[in-house]
Amino acid sequence: EPEVTQTPSHQVTQMGQEVILRCVPISNHLYFYWYRQILGQKVEFLVSFYNNEISEKSEIFDDQFSVERPDGSNFTLKIRSTKLEDSAMYFCASSQQGARGETQYFGPGTRLLVL
Amino acid sequence: EDQVTQSPEALRLQEGESSSLNCSYTVSGLRGLFWYRQDPGKGPEFLFTLYSAGEEKEKERLKATLTKKESFLHITAPKPEDSATYLCAVDRGSTLGRLYFGRGTQLTVWP
Repeated sequence: EPEVTQTPSHQVTQMGQEVILRCVPISNHLYFYWYRQILGQKVEFLVSFYNNEISEKSEIFDDQFSVERPDGSNFTLKIRSTKLEDSAMYFCASSQQGARGETQYFGPGTRLLVL
Repeated sequence: EDQVTQSPEALRLQEGESSSLNCSYTVSGLRGLFWYRQDPGKGPEFLFTLYSAGEEKEKERLKATLTKKESFLHITAPKPEDSATYLCAVDRGSTLGRLYFGRGTQLTVWP
């Protein structure tokens, strides 16, 4: 069964460093998403992406964040200068057409720890 | 304000003891309500999508129902392997693809 994959599974970085989190969405899916979950809190939307453009971003997704689809399979989230409060699980998700009400399938997540 | 509220926060059941989890929502123009299962340190695993009041879906020991204000996830004769956090999320429709999650119900089923 097709699934979303993410690498790395764990990332430890120093405050102020740049990190890139990688995702491979399900192959025939066209819409991609990043969410994050701070320990013990809700899953929160960061950004949605379609046709090489951001469709929507939340108030969390400030100038420190960027997304990119560098090739036909990968989807990345970059945090330019990490802060302590960026420590969280980051989940990538994808959906086939991005239609309203369409199911999003999530990856296993990357646990980011900023020291 | 909270748009998705789940209750209870935690639920402990003995194996075979059926129960229900609640997800209430305050969004207008609901496009879809989703149930996910999340194991510790893992990503949300899709269970069900519900679109309209009165709709029901079943999968093994789980059954999800939807009304105009809330959804229930019924667990019949649970087993220890059903232990997980169950997440509810809604698609408001006014924002394409953005899901709003509840805090989840942590279910523990003991033998």
